[in-house]
Amino acid sequence: QKEVEQNSGPLSVPEGAIASLNCTYSDRGSQSFFWYRQYSGKSPELIMFIYSNGDKEDGRFTAQLNKASQYVSLLIRDSQPSDSATYLCAVLAGGYQKVTFGTGTKLQVIP
Amino acid sequence: DTGVSQDPRHKITKRGQNVTFRCDPISEHNRLYWYRQTLGQGPEFLTYFQNEAQLEKSRLLSDRFSAERPKGSFSTLEIQRTEQGDSAMYLCASSLPRDSKPLTDTQYFGPGTRLTVL
Repeated sequence: QKEVEQNSGPLSVPEGAIASLNCTYSDRGSQSFFWYRQYSGKSPELIMFIYSNGDKEDGRFTAQLNKASQYVSLLIRDSQPSDSATYLCAVLAGGYQKVTFGTGTKLQVIP
Repeated sequence: DTGVSQDPRHKITKRGQNVTFRCDPISEHNRLYWYRQTLGQGPEFLTYFQNEAQLEKSRLLSDRFSAERPKGSFSTLEIQRTEQGDSAMYLCASSLPRDSKPLTDTQYFGPGTRLTVL
């Protein structure tokens, strides 16, 4: 079992719709969870992080965390073509351990 | 620009040659990470430093790879006797972990060095 799993996609949504990206992780001791966006040929850029169960909103982005289910998701409201990118989920396990990345989900927003 | 910088941005080399990459982290960050990323994959952890100490190396990192961070500031990643399988984007990230509950370690990435081994 991979430590951090994501559906590779592509996930296609029409412009203006809500895009839902999902991630599961295996280490129950994981404490912090990150979402990065990566455009083709570019390096990852941080969108947001979450560490408490529930929702965290930042503009059009909402991260959701359910530690009991070992599940974290990212919702993008009012999706725009500029949101088309690969979204990477990253997890920091308990203690001073390294962050582990998933393989990413490719999102395509269709105009 | 106060972000993470990497040099060079692109490197083309012949198989068997040695290459060295440099990473300059955000100035107050004490952690520095190296990752490798190939097409369609997420960043793959190689190694990381806390200040000048190398705390962990991936089992995937062969003895041809070596990294240093001599003064706890910039870091170098050297690949000796390059192979075609080393062709990838090499990413550097830095962070300043908070000693908080829960633990957070938000990493900021540099632009990467794209290595092509012919």
